[in-house]
Amino acid sequence: ETGVTQTPRHLVMGMTNKKSLKCEQHLGHNAMYWYKQSAKKPLELMFVYSLEERVENNSVPSRFSPECPNSSHLFLHLHTLQPEDSALYLCASSQGLSGIQYFGAGTRLSVL
Amino acid sequence: AQTVTQSQPEMSVQEAETVTLSCTYDTSESDYYLFWYKQPPSRQMILVIRQEAYKQQNATENRFSVNFQKAAKSFSLKISDSQLGDAAMYFCAYRSPYGGSQGNLIFGKGTKLSVKP
Repeated sequence: ETGVTQTPRHLVMGMTNKKSLKCEQHLGHNAMYWYKQSAKKPLELMFVYSLEERVENNSVPSRFSPECPNSSHLFLHLHTLQPEDSALYLCASSQGLSGIQYFGAGTRLSVL
Repeated sequence: AQTVTQSQPEMSVQEAETVTLSCTYDTSESDYYLFWYKQPPSRQMILVIRQEAYKQQNATENRFSVNFQKAAKSFSLKISDSQLGDAAMYFCAYRSPYGGSQGNLIFGKGTKLSVKP
């Protein structure tokens, strides 16, 4: 247990569904991240939040919508996804943007 | 832009033996951080070891050590006395010391390590 919890662990959704991924950190950190991990590709940074403000949006399609209501919680809202969006979505947190990042166990997403 | 290359997609080691995973990177910066993360089948990405570029001494954490060659831009991970629990994907990562988007982690594609009993 590293202090970063992601739910659900697995998610199967159709292309027309709307779902949300949740991340919660119990480490007292003030920065949170969403990464996408696809097979045989490096981890791709999607979004960065610092002090609840989005500081990075790495050219991510608008069908992915992040939300950070407070420094402990991060959501990724999904709608009208494509099959190529199937991947492992990892959340991480750190103390400051230069701190060591601690990761959750990810949500395995399958888009049918 | 910085890049990280792990040239070994898969490696195998006998239990109790030593294995070295390779990582090279490209950067024009003189100061930066390098990391090795481990991702077992549970999918939790776990920090194994961290190296600051301005430190010449190689980082060590129990059975894990690195060989940091700054001039060659090489950062290999050595696992001694390999254990079955070491089986995982290992990712090398680079980070600039600056804040904001420049301080984002840049990952390699990973090396899958198998440990044979």
